[in-house]
Amino acid sequence: DAGITQSPRHKVTETGTPVTLRCHQTENHRYMYWYRQDPGHGLRLIHYSYGVKDTDKGEVSDGYSVSRSKTEDFLLTLESATSSQTSVYFCAIARGFETQYFGPGTRLLVL
Amino acid sequence: GQQLNQSPQSMFIQEGEDVSMNCTSSSIFNTWLWYKQDPGEGPVLLIALYKAGELTSNGRLTAQFGITRKDSFLNISASIPSDVGIYFCAREGAQKLVFGQGTRLTINP
Repeated sequence: DAGITQSPRHKVTETGTPVTLRCHQTENHRYMYWYRQDPGHGLRLIHYSYGVKDTDKGEVSDGYSVSRSKTEDFLLTLESATSSQTSVYFCAIARGFETQYFGPGTRLLVL
Repeated sequence: GQQLNQSPQSMFIQEGEDVSMNCTSSSIFNTWLWYKQDPGEGPVLLIALYKAGELTSNGRLTAQFGITRKDSFLNISASIPSDVGIYFCAREGAQKLVFGQGTRLTINP
């Protein structure tokens, strides 16, 4: 298994509060991704990174920001959580962008 | 964006049956990927396809890259209980993957 962890694994928060999810890898892979998974939508890309301090938006980036200050960590921040951001969030890593290895996921509930 | 249409959305089968699912797109691509997601876990890559017409197997799984480069098929032979999960097709483009909506497979013993 690829060395990828996500924290926290579960979180309940209230509308309007900031939330930060962390993805940590031990594989030294260049590419890191954040997805959200919702019923009927599959996996949708939020943001991705192709190197330290190099990030770009995915298809559902509104309301989210990311940071990558070192190779092993990719942070996803919800500046002011909304109920529509209740979801399961997956981080993925890749040496080349095709073969992505996914983390175990974070279940976020925004009340 | 360039959407992938995956079908069927769900399947309910008996153990031992063969399974077939497919993914189509309006655009041509150079790579098709198939992932499986077990309940409560992240997706795992099953098969990657890189050439039109390519047929690749991974145990009881067989996937094909359509000759038109706009579709792909995944077949599972002699299904077993551990095949339960969600199967996703994906295509690559601009350092990213785009996933289909998934096919949820349920198996009755």
